[in-house]
Amino acid sequence: DGGITQSPKYLFRKEGQNVTLSCEQNLNHDAMYWYRQDPGQGLRLIYYSQIVNDFQKGDIAEGYSVSREKKESFPLTVTSAQKNPTAFYLCASSSRESYNSPLHFGNGTRLTVT
Amino acid sequence: GEDVEQSLFLSVREGDSSVINCTYTDSSSTYLYWYKQEPGAGLQLLTYIFSNMDMKQDQRLTVLLNKKDKHLSLRIADTQTGDSAIYFCAEIATSGTYKYIFGTGTRLKVLA
Repeated sequence: DGGITQSPKYLFRKEGQNVTLSCEQNLNHDAMYWYRQDPGQGLRLIYYSQIVNDFQKGDIAEGYSVSREKKESFPLTVTSAQKNPTAFYLCASSSRESYNSPLHFGNGTRLTVT
Repeated sequence: GEDVEQSLFLSVREGDSSVINCTYTDSSSTYLYWYKQEPGAGLQLLTYIFSNMDMKQDQRLTVLLNKKDKHLSLRIADTQTGDSAIYFCAEIATSGTYKYIFGTGTRLKVLA
């Protein structure tokens, strides 16, 4: 079955360390996205990529970095510059074949930084 | 700018209907979506509506769109305990950048 895989599901890190969250999709989607979710808040867009080797900053890109070397992969690095990294991170993808293509989500990674 | 608003909580009794409301600001939005999120999981697409439609029905789900007031609602008939989750409405930005704007989510609690 096609889908989006995020790993790991839970991640613990010490303050000051960089950490990379994995996102892989086998849906053959061109566009991929990273969102951050905090309790009581909606989803906030960190970065998105519409095509391989290209990506754009979202609304809260500071302290994060991404790469898009392969169509199926869009890893997110949370750097030590991110002031409040503890959150639930969601990866999503969509087809660009039609304008109304909905987002497909992975099951998320919960990052805890102490 | 673009913004999507929802009330944070809704509580209903099992068997009753639930109505979750959403307002959006981008009057040129073409598609509006409803997603469901269960605890510790990602978002699952429930349904979507095109902006030239007033209503869409899919089994227990009914979506109503009032484009004049920029108001979207999701009605769940015969609400079950398994419907307890967070529900997000979302619109797609019209700038051609394929950016989706999400509301804050409404936490639905179904009481047995």
